[in-house]
Amino acid sequence: NAGVMQNPRHLVRRRGQEARLRCSPMKGHSHVYWYRQLPEEGLKFMVYLQKENIIDESGMPKERFSAEFPKEGPSILRIQQVVRGDSAAYFCASSLTYRVEDEAFFGQGTRLTVV
Amino acid sequence: QKEVEQDPGPLSVPEGAIVSLNCTYSNSAFQYFMWYRQYSRKGPELLMYTYSSGNKEDGRFTAQVDKSSKYISLFIRDSQPSDSATYLCARLAGGTSYGKLTFGQGTILTVHP
Repeated sequence: NAGVMQNPRHLVRRRGQEARLRCSPMKGHSHVYWYRQLPEEGLKFMVYLQKENIIDESGMPKERFSAEFPKEGPSILRIQQVVRGDSAAYFCASSLTYRVEDEAFFGQGTRLTVV
Repeated sequence: QKEVEQDPGPLSVPEGAIVSLNCTYSNSAFQYFMWYRQYSRKGPELLMYTYSSGNKEDGRFTAQVDKSSKYISLFIRDSQPSDSATYLCARLAGGTSYGKLTFGQGTILTVHP
């Protein structure tokens, strides 16, 4: 049973380009969460999605960032017109339900570097 | 004031030592508290979670919540070099944001042989 798969593991983008980060949840999991880990900071919640729905996007920057979790395929975190401050590790997690007893498992992360 | 505060360390201990990792939180309404371990270049993995006050033990790990002082702790007994990692405390929001975790900054732990 494969864990949460994120790709790419490393992504380099020039300022102004778009970054697309993909997350395939564990089999059977329909709840996905995205977190960002900036250098010298802890993990910060970004967005919580269920299949085809955004449940909570209170941690998403107002501009340039969007997320989706379509009926088929992986969840995508999209960053338009990247800036140096977007350089960070982006982690996604998935869970079977929203219940705390159903642990959210994290992927290995995508490390985005903006040059 | 941050919702969850954690001393980033770093903390260095000899093998076999008892390790105490601590966090404070600001909102007394918080109910669920979690401890995660994160190895370098990896994703966090859940060690244990506690609900409300009291202790919870799992092998060499004990999690403790003191709601009166808004303090959460993780104790590691007989620490091993393989315990060297960053330890993150977190609290879980309830209700419509059930899956939303608020993390502390993380404490870097090194256990040397």
